Amino acid sequence: AQTVTQSQPEMSVQEAETVTLSCTYDTSESDYYLFWYKQPPSRQMILVIRQEAYKQQNATENRFSVNFQKAAKSFSLKISDSQLGDAAMYFCAYRLPQGGSEKLVFGKGTKLTVNP
Amino acid sequence: DGGITQSPKYLFRKEGQNVTLSCEQNLNHDAMYWYRQDPGQGLRLIYYSQIVNDFQKGDIAEGYSVSREKKESFPLTVTSAQKNPTAFYLCASSTAGTGKTQYFGPGTRLLVL
Repeated sequence: AQTVTQSQPEMSVQEAETVTLSCTYDTSESDYYLFWYKQPPSRQMILVIRQEAYKQQNATENRFSVNFQKAAKSFSLKISDSQLGDAAMYFCAYRLPQGGSEKLVFGKGTKLTVNP
Repeated sequence: DGGITQSPKYLFRKEGQNVTLSCEQNLNHDAMYWYRQDPGQGLRLIYYSQIVNDFQKGDIAEGYSVSREKKESFPLTVTSAQKNPTAFYLCASSTAGTGKTQYFGPGTRLLVL
């Protein structure tokens, strides 16, 4: 079964600094998708970034980028120039390609605090 | 505006009562999902539907039921058989196809009186 592990229950960063959130996953599949979602205090899950496993290039969305290491089954999220609005729970998630249940398998999350 | 709506925002259930959570989307998405979130946990899949009039159980379907009579709507009923229903419930939808991104609604908080 696929599992997703986020080893950092909590992280903190100073405003304008850079922080990296860790995620590892376990799968025997070669084709899959990885996501980072943000859950602010409102509790709505918001997509931050996605990565296709067949792409070697790391995904980037403005201040958010990933370090995808397929052989190591690692998918870390880097937030540059951290802002107060980045404070939230961050969830790493894995999804099988079509043909499976299409479900997302989530880690338990990392709570990010941004200090002014 | 296009999006996913869930209602109510808060719901209270009495012992032995069935309650229904609403999820509606106007994104023209084929697939819809229900997840449950407990404190300190990630999300777990309850049910999903990839097409109208068809749905499948997820990892924790016991004590829940769903219907998919319309493409836009995927209501979740929490039955009296669900002994620990207190949780945050999130509905999501996506287009059909490989690895499509799931987009989430604002959630419903269910509490037991």
